[in-house]
Amino acid sequence: DAKTTQPNSMESNEEEPVHLPCNHSTISGTDYIHWYRQLPSQGPEYVIHGLTSNVNNRMASLAIAEDRKSSTLILHRATLRDAAVYYCIPLSGGSRLTFGEGTQLTVNP
Amino acid sequence: GAVVSQHPSRVICKSGTSVKIECRSLDFQATTMFWYRQFPKQSLMLMATSNEGSKATYEQGVEKDKFLINHASLTLSTLTVTSAHPEDSSFYICSARDGTGAYNEQFFGPGTRLTVL
Repeated sequence: DAKTTQPNSMESNEEEPVHLPCNHSTISGTDYIHWYRQLPSQGPEYVIHGLTSNVNNRMASLAIAEDRKSSTLILHRATLRDAAVYYCIPLSGGSRLTFGEGTQLTVNP
Repeated sequence: GAVVSQHPSRVICKSGTSVKIECRSLDFQATTMFWYRQFPKQSLMLMATSNEGSKATYEQGVEKDKFLINHASLTLSTLTVTSAHPEDSSFYICSARDGTGAYNEQFFGPGTRLTVL
């Protein structure tokens, strides 16, 4: 499994954009970059995934570096409900998800 | 998105008893299910992977005789914690993968909080 590095914690203010970085320098060519988040006392929730191109969905955007060694999850307008631990996980199809420590995002009102 | 349920959501038991946790995929067929454990302030740890109709594959360090996994159908997997002890108290989370789609996303259940007295 590719090793990832994420900041332990980040803070944001409500309704401001948040950029959550992830380094995955050992990612393989077939690994998709997945982002999941876990709200307190809940199971993880899928956020977004991508391979090479930047991706957008209703929850977030994913910006992937050209060399694929890093990516950034972008929450365009943080809300209090976005307070969670965010996990960046490189993964090949058919493999199972293994979680690192993730980034604890705090959103201030 | 697809829904995965777990039952019970919370269980308290006495030391030495066995506890069964159910994981169901409600609107898709899960060819593969996964069981995770999470201690307070820690990340999720994968315990085992199970494919329907076959024996589960356990991660290193996980006792297969203590954590019995049954994946008898494409919509149901069970985890039985046998002879539970206080150190087994944890948040147990299952996930299921729909193998029919082009992208094999994992969907997670809401978790089961086990407290062993």
